[in-house]
Amino acid sequence: DAGVTQSPTHLIKTRGQHVTLRCSPISGHKSVSWYQQVLGQGPQFIFQYYEKEERGRGNFPDRFSARQFPNYSSELNVNALLLGDSALYLCASSFSQGNYGYTFGSGTRLTVV
Amino acid sequence: GQQVMQIPQYQHVQEGEDFTTYCNSSTTLSNIQWYKQRPGGHPVFLIQLVKSGEVKKQKRLTFQFGEAKKNSSLHITATQTTDVGTYFCAGQDGGATNKLIFGTGTLLAVQP
Repeated sequence: DAGVTQSPTHLIKTRGQHVTLRCSPISGHKSVSWYQQVLGQGPQFIFQYYEKEERGRGNFPDRFSARQFPNYSSELNVNALLLGDSALYLCASSFSQGNYGYTFGSGTRLTVV
Repeated sequence: GQQVMQIPQYQHVQEGEDFTTYCNSSTTLSNIQWYKQRPGGHPVFLIQLVKSGEVKKQKRLTFQFGEAKKNSSLHITATQTTDVGTYFCAGQDGGATNKLIFGTGTLLAVQP
């Protein structure tokens, strides 16, 4: 059984560009959350989706958006990239919104130059 | 907003020594989870604590949730080189989002 898969694994973008990151949750998991992890810090919550609806948003600008598809996979979009957006973007899936441990993907390492 | 702090930020131990990291939340939590992240890796779920005062053990790891459900600790007995990594606590507030708020993490280095 596959774990949480994220693509791409690495990405280099120029300031001002747009990026789309993709995540496929564990089969049967209906909740997907996105986190940003800057080097040396803990993951910061960006979005949570459950049953294709946004259930939570962290303290990130409107340049960040996401969606969840009928098959529960998800995309994170970031517009007008800034140097400060360089980070590891982690996707986590869980069975529901309840008290369950999250399974994280290996992440997408985004570098903005 | 809700904040979760961990101490120490960094700990260097000799193999065989014990290690403890402490986690404190600014608000009461519905549950606390612990994750381990190896260098260059991603967070891996270790355990979840839900009840006030709960203590759980996993081999050499002992996890505790405080009575007020605002703090937690992870203790590793007789560390091994395989314990190297950053240990994060993460709390859920039980609100509408029930989002996971990660602590600042403790980086553990183990010298053979």
